[in-house]
Amino acid sequence: QVQLVESGGGVVQPGRSLRLSCAVSGFNFNNYEIHWVRQAPGKGLEWLAITSYGRGFEHYADSVKGRFAISRDNSKNTVYLQMSSLTAADTALYYCAREPPRSDCRLDYWGQGTLVTVSS
Amino acid sequence: QSALTQPPSVSAAPGHQVTISCSGSSSNLGAHYVSWYQQLPGTAPKLLIYEDNKRPSGIPDRFSGSRSGTSATLGITGLQTGDEADYYCGTWDDSLRAGVFGGGTTLTVL
Repeated sequence: QVQLVESGGGVVQPGRSLRLSCAVSGFNFNNYEIHWVRQAPGKGLEWLAITSYGRGFEHYADSVKGRFAISRDNSKNTVYLQMSSLTAADTALYYCAREPPRSDCRLDYWGQGTLVTVSS
Repeated sequence: QSALTQPPSVSAAPGHQVTISCSGSSSNLGAHYVSWYQQLPGTAPKLLIYEDNKRPSGIPDRFSGSRSGTSATLGITGLQTGDEADYYCGTWDDSLRAGVFGGGTTLTVL
């Protein structure tokens, strides 16, 4: 069955970096876009980034552009989110989600999330 | 401030119906399908409606959706206590070149 499993979260000091992973299984990874979405404690969903292997692009939310980088390793069926210059405002539960191609950001499967806490 | 605007909360009695609105602009809802997500407490969001009005397998027909112009609506009939959750609309925005979500609506079934 379709699965997305995030990992790599934890407690990190302000200004430091962290890399999150999203391991996918149960579908042809190359045929789908993968997104990262986060949710700060008690807040709503915030879209962060997309990687599209088939269409060869990445896009980012303005709030993380220049600090976060999304990448994918097709041999490992894994997507990464490299986060740098972290601040307390980046404290959140980070989800990865799958989008069928050209489906207007329809996120049909989500992982369970990995928690990032930025604190000294 | 979210690109899509939803009411913070709605409520209704069990068995009744409720609608949740989602307002956007020409670069998002005016150009792209809307999806709706249900997030039960302590769980990941789940796709509820896609392409404005289609339901994924397993979603009961008590849930419906529509889109007109730059607005969309989620409808829920026959409310159950298990429907208490946060609901989000989402789509793509051509101007931002980004995914966008509404701020979320908390449904309370009184």
